[in-house]
Amino acid sequence: AQSVSQHNHHVILSEAASLELGCNYSYGGTVNLFWYVQYPGQHLQLLLKYFSGDPLVKGIKGFEAEFIKSKFSFNLRKPSVQWSDTAEYFCAVNAQGNDMRFGAGTRLTVKP
Amino acid sequence: DARVTQTPRHKVTEMGQEVTMRCQPILGHNTVFWYRQTMMQGLELLAYFRNRAPLDDSGMPKDRFSAEMPDATLATLKIQPSEPRDSAVYFCASGMQGWTQYFGPGTRLTVL
Repeated sequence: AQSVSQHNHHVILSEAASLELGCNYSYGGTVNLFWYVQYPGQHLQLLLKYFSGDPLVKGIKGFEAEFIKSKFSFNLRKPSVQWSDTAEYFCAVNAQGNDMRFGAGTRLTVKP
Repeated sequence: DARVTQTPRHKVTEMGQEVTMRCQPILGHNTVFWYRQTMMQGLELLAYFRNRAPLDDSGMPKDRFSAEMPDATLATLKIQPSEPRDSAVYFCASGMQGWTQYFGPGTRLTVL
């Protein structure tokens, strides 16, 4: 069965630190990959997505993610985080023809 | 700017009462999802519909929860009778099969 693993439950960083959040999935076929962000008290919003093409995907607010097929990974990165990036981040995977599975989420706290 | 809408945004009720939550998916989307989010369990998929037909409701307590799509513009989630452990934020999301899900603002339910 499809599954999505996010390695870090809670990450705490200082402003300007670099961020990398891990995401691995278990499905071996063609996949669509997503990162969603949920700011405190708000709903999930799409941060970026990968369907095909360049495996390095750029999203909103300076975020990017790299699809590494051989590692079944889609890690999220940002070179310099801001206090406003404090949120919960969800990785999601959709195997074409099936529906999306979300990871458990990683809570990011950025200290000013 | 098309959005998923949910009503009510907040609901406080007493144990044993019926609760109905409504969702209007984005026009043209053929798949509608219901999720529940709590601090303890995180984001849980309750049920989803494609072309108004229920595809999977295995995440839903069958004895008290029911989900329907009376038409393509309305999805409902009912809890009868409600219990304090049902307190959570309930999100509706819509999309096209295999592609991005767009989330509504959520209904924050408190059962006293």
